[in-house]
Amino acid sequence: NAGVTQTPKFQVLKTGQSMTLQCAQDMNHEYMSWYRQDPGMGLRLIHYSVGAGITDQGEVPNGYNVSRSTTEDFPLRLLSAAPSQTSVYFCASSTYRDTEAFFGQGTRLTVV
Amino acid sequence: AQSVTQLGSHVSVSEGALVLLRCNYSSSVPPYLFWYVQYPNQGLQLLLKYTSAATLVKGINGFEAEFKKSETSFHLTKPSAHMSDAAEYFCAVKGQGGSEKLVFGKGTKLTVNP
Repeated sequence: NAGVTQTPKFQVLKTGQSMTLQCAQDMNHEYMSWYRQDPGMGLRLIHYSVGAGITDQGEVPNGYNVSRSTTEDFPLRLLSAAPSQTSVYFCASSTYRDTEAFFGQGTRLTVV
Repeated sequence: AQSVTQLGSHVSVSEGALVLLRCNYSSSVPPYLFWYVQYPNQGLQLLLKYTSAATLVKGINGFEAEFKKSETSFHLTKPSAHMSDAAEYFCAVKGQGGSEKLVFGKGTKLTVNP
């Protein structure tokens, strides 16, 4: 099993550009989430989904959109990139009733 | 709502010394508690988890943690540090119920000196 796969691993964007970070899992997990990691801030939840067609906001949702059309995929869209969105982004998945989250390897995004 | 406080953003120990990383939580419901480790430029890997079974939880790489409800703590320990333990460690809490979000502390960076 590949687990949780994130693409791309690195990305540089110009302010105002849009892009989609991809996340796919092959474990048939219901629960998927996106975090951003900034130095000294730990991981902060951006958006999450408890199943296909259901998404909700986390702690820091502004500037990001998500959708969940399939169980496997949970893309994160940056609508108009800002320098404040420079961060490392992690996707995670878990079974709805299970406790452990499995993480992807991360996407390092720089907005200039 | 859940929250996690990790005391000490940086901890430095000598190789062979005891490792103690502190974590205190706040939860309105019985919690699930986790320790994750992140090596440089890597994702997060689960070290161990507490899910209301035994209060002393053993994890990978010789780490263990003890759930103390009276102190709302879940400190991570390892008797003897190894150079390969140098990493950032995150404590996280989730409320029991399946739909609760996983909330992370700000992390503790562990340095191991030769």
